[in-house]
Amino acid sequence: VQVVESGGDLVQPGGSLRLSCAASGFTFTSYWMTWVRQAPGKGLEWVANINQDGSAKNHADSVKGRFTISRDNTKNSLFLQMSSLRDDDTAVYYCARWNFCMDVWGQGTTVTVSS
Amino acid sequence: EIVLTQSPGTLSLSPGERATLSCRASQSVTSNYLGWYQQKPGQAPRVLIYGASSRVTGIPDRFSGSGSGTDFTLTISRLEPEDFAVYYCQQYGSSPWTFGQGTKVEIK
Repeated sequence: VQVVESGGDLVQPGGSLRLSCAASGFTFTSYWMTWVRQAPGKGLEWVANINQDGSAKNHADSVKGRFTISRDNTKNSLFLQMSSLRDDDTAVYYCARWNFCMDVWGQGTTVTVSS
Repeated sequence: EIVLTQSPGTLSLSPGERATLSCRASQSVTSNYLGWYQQKPGQAPRVLIYGASSRVTGIPDRFSGSGSGTDFTLTISRLEPEDFAVYYCQQYGSSPWTFGQGTKVEIK
């Protein structure tokens, strides 16, 4: 049972990036999934979540209108499309499975927003 | 948005001692939907407790959660060397989900 994030990079302010999370070892279609981020030296911040078939999505106010969570159940994959990136979006982004708690976490992927 | 305030910010204790961590919510947490996570440097968080008091499979029984409404507690009955870490509470009863700012448990 694991999730593996990818797609983090150095990007300029105002730029876009798409993060991916590959799930394996469990029935992906049975679970809500979520993204959580952690700025350098700071605490955890919930970013977004999505239900099993992608019909329900929620985003934190800090990213609403700029980030979009989605999933492809045929590929057991979760995504986070990020646009209009700002300096304060710099963070490690974690993908996690939701099972009444975030019970499976990836190792994170680093997004750095800087000119 | 429910704001979670954790106290103390840092707890300095010795191995074998009891740790009591507090998480206070700005409004009642629906159905006590509150979890506790442990994070060590350079690692992803790990869930310990969900539903305020249910221990996740595989978590040692020295970890226990309690509380309801707006006041929640994580207790580590006897600290082991591997328990020194940062602990976060998180509520999932209302959207947006929110985390507390964390309590660092350090070796005295």
